[in-house]
Amino acid sequence: DVQMTQSPSSLSASVGDRVTITCRASQAIGNYLAWYQQKPGKVPKLLIYAASTLQSGVPSRFGGSGSGTDFTLTINSLQPEDVATYFCQKSNSALWTFGQGTKVEIK
Amino acid sequence: QLQLQESGPGLVKPSETLSLTCTVSGGSISSSSDYWGWIRQPPGKGLQWIGSIYYRGSTYYNPSLKSRSTISIDTSKNQFSLKVRSVTAADTAVYYCARPSGRGEMTTIDWGQGILVTVSS
Repeated sequence: DVQMTQSPSSLSASVGDRVTITCRASQAIGNYLAWYQQKPGKVPKLLIYAASTLQSGVPSRFGGSGSGTDFTLTINSLQPEDVATYFCQKSNSALWTFGQGTKVEIK
Repeated sequence: QLQLQESGPGLVKPSETLSLTCTVSGGSISSSSDYWGWIRQPPGKGLQWIGSIYYRGSTYYNPSLKSRSTISIDTSKNQFSLKVRSVTAADTAVYYCARPSGRGEMTTIDWGQGILVTVSS
């Protein structure tokens, strides 16, 4: 089974900072990767699909990159409303696998 | 628009069986998706895929839960279900039913609202 390793597990940054979260697959998955944002008590919200395509309605400060085994979620100019946990998910089969999550806080 | 709604007991006693149902509305469970799945999230923790079922009935499970889990589908009721046997406090979680949305690399997950199941005596 493909494992997804996400890092860091948490981070604290200042408003306006650029934040980077990485996700590594144990086997190549092409561009079959999605990123979700989850706020407490809420259903995960889709941010990025196909590794780098921004979901409609998601602010342009969010960006995704990577292919194969290494992927990155970037938040340019962190905003207070971005405080949340972020998950990557491989999407190339019915065997869904998630990264462990990255909790983003404001310093 | 297709909607998924979980239902079932919010409290289950240790050693008993957790049973949840996901009702699909706004479309047919036989034709709206190739497969359907369950995901759970213990309080304060990450997301864990439990298993998936194709509309014809074939199933795939997370190896860590395979021995205790059963997913089934009832096309006549437009529902699919999850059973987890011999539950412990570690099975306390928000349980989501879900389905894939999109095709190929654009595949993502459509989520139900989730249901909190607490395992306690």
